[in-house]
Amino acid sequence: SQKIEQNSEALNIQEGKTATLTCNYTNYSPAYLQWYRQDPGRGPVFLLLIRENEKEKRKERLKVTFDTTLKQSLFHITASQPADSATYLCALPFPASGGSYIPTFGRGTSLIVHP
Amino acid sequence: NAGVTQTPKFQVLKTGQSMTLQCAQDMNHEYMSWYRQDPGMGLRLIHYSVGAGITDQGEVPNGYNVSRSTTEDFPLRLLSAAPSQTSVYFCASSYSGQGLRETQYFGPGTRLLVL
Repeated sequence: SQKIEQNSEALNIQEGKTATLTCNYTNYSPAYLQWYRQDPGRGPVFLLLIRENEKEKRKERLKVTFDTTLKQSLFHITASQPADSATYLCALPFPASGGSYIPTFGRGTSLIVHP
Repeated sequence: NAGVTQTPKFQVLKTGQSMTLQCAQDMNHEYMSWYRQDPGMGLRLIHYSVGAGITDQGEVPNGYNVSRSTTEDFPLRLLSAAPSQTSVYFCASSYSGQGLRETQYFGPGTRLLVL
């Protein structure tokens, strides 16, 4: 069953606008959530980590929110640029057998910023 | 630092052949892991290791073996390749892998085609 949901359709926006990507998860309360960027043919690159007691985290033009009631994280890129075009993945630690946690990734959402 | 390196970059195998995908990191990270990424499926964890001599299964371990004899290296072995193992394989590492509290650093990936 799909534990993490990200929009499978690509998000197309105009340069300068704010891009908002969504990550929903089910039946679990993770202590942390991460966002990664992946360019074609490359491995994912870490962007931001947000903890359950943090409502919002910012880094330059990036902003992440974490709503544990809605079980949702929103990822915003303000003043978007064509160079922001990539696939963005969210990741959470899901509990596995034996008390360990397995990093689990969403399928990612492709962002395309048009000049 | 080279970070996480993977070899080969690309490999073609025939069904039933065996091979080893190499992964090395020079950041003295305790936690290392292998993912496969297929179109529409996202990143799925194959095996992981929390330190030298310790390995465990992830979400999709069947058909793959791993070992961790040193902190730096974490090879992934395909004993008898099948077409279903055609995928892009990523190796990742983090300082201690405490349930995604830390950044995961990914390698550039190995593209595997099994005919």
